[in-house]
Amino acid sequence: GEDVEQSLFLSVREGDSSVINCTYTDSSSTYLYWYKQEPGAGLQLLTYIFSNMDMKQDQRLTVLLNKKDKHLSLRIADTQTGDSAIYFCAEITQSRTGGSYIPTFGRGTSLIVHP
Amino acid sequence: ETGVTQSPTHLIKTRGQQVTLRCSSQSGHNTVSWYQQALGQGPQFIFQYYREEENGRGNFPPRFSGLQFPNYSSELNVNALELDDSALYLCASSLGVGDTEAFFGQGTRLTVV
Repeated sequence: GEDVEQSLFLSVREGDSSVINCTYTDSSSTYLYWYKQEPGAGLQLLTYIFSNMDMKQDQRLTVLLNKKDKHLSLRIADTQTGDSAIYFCAEITQSRTGGSYIPTFGRGTSLIVHP
Repeated sequence: ETGVTQSPTHLIKTRGQQVTLRCSSQSGHNTVSWYQQALGQGPQFIFQYYREEENGRGNFPPRFSGLQFPNYSSELNVNALELDDSALYLCASSLGVGDTEAFFGQGTRLTVV
């Protein structure tokens, strides 16, 4: 079965880089996502990476994928207090019938940015 | 603002009752997915609707059911509510089943007492 693991908390100083890690178990994942959730809000898609890629960069965000180890990371450069939120990693796998894509989310990493 | 709206925002129900939650998709999106997010957990996939048909289901009992309408808005119905059904219910819409970008609503906070 699918399982996505994340560390629960990360605390960084403003201006530093944050690295949030995630491991997954399903090697047939088609793509992997990072979402951000602020208090009382829904999920905001930050970025995603196809499973055949190693790295993706999008402004302050860098996603690294190690498919052999089933390890995904999200690096946020120059972290700001506005980046404080819960970050979810999710893997997407295609259903057995092939008709749908099923997401599995981790429990989320709470990022705290202090001045 | 994602263009996905959910109603109501908060709801309190009694164990054993039934509840209907609503989701209005972003314009042009024909696929809607529903998730349950318990406190301190990640969202869990309930099911997905594509062009008014259920297109995939997570590990939820049959008392969780849904509908999608011709305008692609959607409902989640939960019968015989249990205390453990207390959670934030999120819907997300996308352009199609394999679309990489899904837009989430703000969620409905359901409390079962």
